Amino acid sequence: DTGVSQDPRHKITKRGQNVTFRCDPISEHNRLYWYRQTLGQGPEFLTYFQNEAQLEKSRLLSDRFSAERPKGSFSTLEIQRTEQGDSAMYLCASSLTSVGEQYFGPGTRLTVT
Amino acid sequence: EDQVTQSPEALRLQEGESSSLNCSYTVSGLRGLFWYRQDPGKGPEFLFTLYSAGEEKEKERLKATLTKKESFLHITAPKPEDSATYLCAVEKSNTGKLIFGQGTTLQVKP
Repeated sequence: DTGVSQDPRHKITKRGQNVTFRCDPISEHNRLYWYRQTLGQGPEFLTYFQNEAQLEKSRLLSDRFSAERPKGSFSTLEIQRTEQGDSAMYLCASSLTSVGEQYFGPGTRLTVT
Repeated sequence: EDQVTQSPEALRLQEGESSSLNCSYTVSGLRGLFWYRQDPGKGPEFLFTLYSAGEEKEKERLKATLTKKESFLHITAPKPEDSATYLCAVEKSNTGKLIFGQGTTLQVKP
C-alpha cells in the first residue's frame, strides 16, 4: 500500500499528558498537511509543510501544539499538556505541489480522559 | 470571511432514487473545489477536483458540477454502498489549505 499512513490509529490519554502522532506521506509528495476533525464537522486545517519548511499555521494551533517534518519525509504532531477539548480525529494529507489534490491518511483518533 | 456550506446535512434515499448535494462557497481567489467521500472512522477519500465554472467531472454514479458560487454532486441511481458522508472543500489561490464544509451524510436504503 503506497497511500498515506498514520500511527497510532487510536490513542487514549489522560489530561495533562503529552502525545505524539506520526504521518508518512505518499513518497513522491512534497506537501504534507495536518487537519483536525470533530464529530459531525468537516476537517479543520492546522498546518502544512512544503518539504521540511512549515509554511502556514492555523490560529487553532495553540502553543501546546508543535509539528515537524525534519527531513522532508515523515511528520510528527505533538500535543503537550493535553486537554479534553483536544479529543478529535487528527488527519494527515499529502499532495504534489503542482497537482493540488490532497490524499488523506486513515487518521489518529485521540481521546483525552 | 471564507466559508463553505453544504446542504442538506443528511439525506436518506431509496436505492435507485437520484438526488443532488449542494455546496455553496464564498472565498476570494478560488483555486479549486474538491469533493471527498468519508466512511465512518476513516480518512476522506478524494473524488473530484473542479477548477472553473462550467466544469463537470464524472465517476461511476457521481457527477460533480461547478458554478461561480456553488457546486453540486449529483448521484444517479444510488446503491447502498454509496452511503457515506460527502465533503466539499475549497482551496484559496496558493495557500495550500483546504476549507471544508460540514458534510452531507447520505444513507441509501435497499
